[in-house]
Amino acid sequence: DTAVSQTPKYLVTQMGNDKSIKCEQNLGHDTMYWYKQDSKKFLKIMFSYNNKELIINETVPNRFSPKSPDKAHLNLHINSLELGDSAVYFCASSATGERGEQYFGPGTRLTVT
Amino acid sequence: SQQGEEDPQALSIQEGENATMNCSYKTSINNLQWYRQNSGRGLVHLILIRSNEREKHSGRLRVTLDTSKKSSSLLITASRAADTASYFCATDEGNTGKLIFGQGTTLQVKP
Repeated sequence: DTAVSQTPKYLVTQMGNDKSIKCEQNLGHDTMYWYKQDSKKFLKIMFSYNNKELIINETVPNRFSPKSPDKAHLNLHINSLELGDSAVYFCASSATGERGEQYFGPGTRLTVT
Repeated sequence: SQQGEEDPQALSIQEGENATMNCSYKTSINNLQWYRQNSGRGLVHLILIRSNEREKHSGRLRVTLDTSKKSSSLLITASRAADTASYFCATDEGNTGKLIFGQGTTLQVKP
């Protein structure tokens, strides 16, 4: 009965590689988000999709490309990984029109070596 | 730019004591939310207070909002060891659902 799930939980890879993180929510929400949390726990929004449409696109390198095949899924693909991409990436979802609370996944810890 | 700033950055108390965390922000908001993050886990929503509300309660949590000072506080009463976590405030800027998070307060409750 997991609400927001992410895979993988841990990802260790070398610089220059391309990797993807998957996110799925079974809450029936129509808005999904990607956040990046750095080593100082600072959490910053990267992208948001509403009904498969991109609505928030923060200043993120274009090596990061989100893809939403349907309302329940929002994947994050990262090309040419760099050391500075090491962080914990969180997916979240919310229901449009409701009070705004967001439900977070467990996070994916990405380590680039 | 970062919206919320939290104070203190770290707080250590004994079980049974109250814990107060403060959050300041810079621009107009629709609402302000508090989240908890246990170590190695995702964030969990605790409470939301709208811009036209001044105080809200949920169990042992009490949140206040002062829009004139652009600040909020989270009070946890009768703390428990299980309350040990990082607490974040987040402000909702508009209709996109974009949340701006503070840097968080790390709370340790000693048994």
